[in-house]
Amino acid sequence: AQTVTQSQPEMSVQEAETVTLSCTYDTSENNYYLFWYKQPPSRQMILVIRQEAYKQQNATENRFSVNFQKAAKSFSLKISDSQLGDTAMYFCAFMKGETSGSRLTFGEGTQLTVNP
Amino acid sequence: DADVTQTPRNRITKTGKRIMLECSQTKGHDRMYWYRQDPGLGLQLIYYSFDVKDINKGEISDGYSVSRQAQAKFSLSLESAIPNQTALYFCATSEAGGTDTQYFGPGTRLTVL
Repeated sequence: AQTVTQSQPEMSVQEAETVTLSCTYDTSENNYYLFWYKQPPSRQMILVIRQEAYKQQNATENRFSVNFQKAAKSFSLKISDSQLGDTAMYFCAFMKGETSGSRLTFGEGTQLTVNP
Repeated sequence: DADVTQTPRNRITKTGKRIMLECSQTKGHDRMYWYRQDPGLGLQLIYYSFDVKDINKGEISDGYSVSRQAQAKFSLSLESAIPNQTALYFCATSEAGGTDTQYFGPGTRLTVL
């Protein structure tokens, strides 16, 4: 079974600064996907960024980028130029890359607070 | 309009009552999922369906049942609610053979007294 670990229950950052959220995972699979989801106080689950394990290039989406280290099974999220609206719970998630399966395994989340 | 909707958004019920949570989607996706989120934790998979005739148990299916009435509708039932089923429930959808990215509804907060 896959496990996802987020070792930072809470983090804070000043507006306009950069912050990195950590995620590690454990799997014996070679083909898989990794995701970061954001859950603001509205409780909506919002996709932030997605990474395919077969791609060596790190995914980026505007101010959000990842550092994917496949050998180390590490998948960290970097938020640049932090904004107040980035305040949310952030979840790292894993999905096996099989044609018959699309099941997400979530970490326990990191609560990020952006301070003015 | 939202692509994935859930009704009700909030519900308070009593122990032993039967309750149904509904999910509808306009994304045209074949795959639908029900997750549960407990306070301070990530989401856990309850049931999932890859098409109308396909239903599968997830990690925590005990005490729950589902019905896939149509491609666009997937309902979750608690036959006899108990207090430890108090949680936030999410429906999600994904496209078969697509990017596998799951899109979530707004969630239903359920309280069982």
